[in-house]
Amino acid sequence: TQLLEQSPQFLSIQEGENLTVYCNSSSVFSSLQWYRQEPGEGPVLLVTVVTGGEVKKLKRLTFQFGDARKDSSLHITAAQPGDTGLYLCAGDTGFQKLVFGTGTRLLVSP
Amino acid sequence: DTAVSQTPKYLVTQMGNDKSIKCEQNLGHDTMYWYKQDSKKFLKIMFSYNNKELIINETVPNRFSPKSPDKAHLNLHINSLELGDSAVYFCASSPHRGSGNTIYFGEGSWLTVV
Repeated sequence: TQLLEQSPQFLSIQEGENLTVYCNSSSVFSSLQWYRQEPGEGPVLLVTVVTGGEVKKLKRLTFQFGDARKDSSLHITAAQPGDTGLYLCAGDTGFQKLVFGTGTRLLVSP
Repeated sequence: DTAVSQTPKYLVTQMGNDKSIKCEQNLGHDTMYWYKQDSKKFLKIMFSYNNKELIINETVPNRFSPKSPDKAHLNLHINSLELGDSAVYFCASSPHRGSGNTIYFGEGSWLTVV
């Protein structure tokens, strides 16, 4: 069974702080996606990374795919209350199946 | 105009009952999914259909039976509901079944079995 472990599980910070969320696995994935889920809604795709070592930026969010395509990180600069939510990484096994991570709940207080 | 819509959004029912959740997507996508999210927010795929054909069937009790009358609809029927079936069920769709697809999720159906 392929597992994606995210850390930390929960993060509570003040507005303006920086943070990093990690997504680790012992399995190799053909691509990795990051989603954000807000209460009462479904997950929404933020980014897809495909190549080992790839770095993508989305405004204040920076995503990196590990060289071996087994892990990924999400770094948020100067967090804002609007960044609050559940962040999920998801690895594509290459068999049209996504394996989701254990999730990181982020709370950004004003 | 909702891209992936599922009904009902909330469902409270007794153990042993049979219930259905309906899902429709208006994105013209070929592939549809059912995911289950448990109380710890862990999201796991249950089924996937591509053009009405079942392509992924995870280890799910056979009390769960998906049905896809056409590629825009994927319904989930659950027989003999158990307490452990309480969860949020998400319908989703993607343009095709290839790797790296963007998956679009519905808003979820909160099922509570009492």
